[in-house]
Amino acid sequence: RKEVEQDPGPFNVPEGATVAFNCTYSNSASQSFFWYRQDCRKEPKLLMSVYSSGNEDGRFTAQLNRASQYISLLIRDSKLSDSATYLCVVNLRGSGYALNFGKGTSLLVTP
Amino acid sequence: DADVTQTPRNRITKTGKRIMLECSQTKGHDRMYWYRQDPGLGLQLIYYSFDVKDINKGEISDGYSVSRQAQAKFSLSLESAIPNQTALYFCATSGASSSGENTGELFFGEGSRLTVL
Repeated sequence: RKEVEQDPGPFNVPEGATVAFNCTYSNSASQSFFWYRQDCRKEPKLLMSVYSSGNEDGRFTAQLNRASQYISLLIRDSKLSDSATYLCVVNLRGSGYALNFGKGTSLLVTP
Repeated sequence: DADVTQTPRNRITKTGKRIMLECSQTKGHDRMYWYRQDPGLGLQLIYYSFDVKDINKGEISDGYSVSRQAQAKFSLSLESAIPNQTALYFCATSGASSSGENTGELFFGEGSRLTVL
């Protein structure tokens, strides 16, 4: 079983819509969580970290549910420029580990 | 100039050839990584290095080798390329917190697209 799982989508939504993605992780020892964004044929870039209490950055809200081992990303008032693949990333505790990436969820925002 | 630079950006080669992908960074980070990305499979970790003397295998290291020539340089080699190594390869760097934990932010190069015929 992949350690980090996401629905690949694609999610097709109209401009202005609210869309949410979920991501589940299998290792309960996971300690830190992130969402990355990847545009087509480009490198991934950090979108936001996910904090235990939940956090918001403009139109983007990230939530963590440790009991159920999932994180979510909510995008409000979708823009055409939000079209991209969103990668869920999980970090195990300890300095000896590298980050684990999900396969990504594809979002297409249409006019 | 990019903080993480990969060369070449595109390469077409034939089965059996030796290929080296190079990565250099100006971020001053100790931690460097090589990933490959295939459609539908996401990013898969090939090798990573937490300092110049440290090399670790990732999920899919078979058929690959790496060299950490300096803090700023981390190269990936395919000793005898095969068609299923056709992919987009990313180099990345990251910093560490004072406790040695990954900070969680990876800085990626623009990628090297490799085609093995």
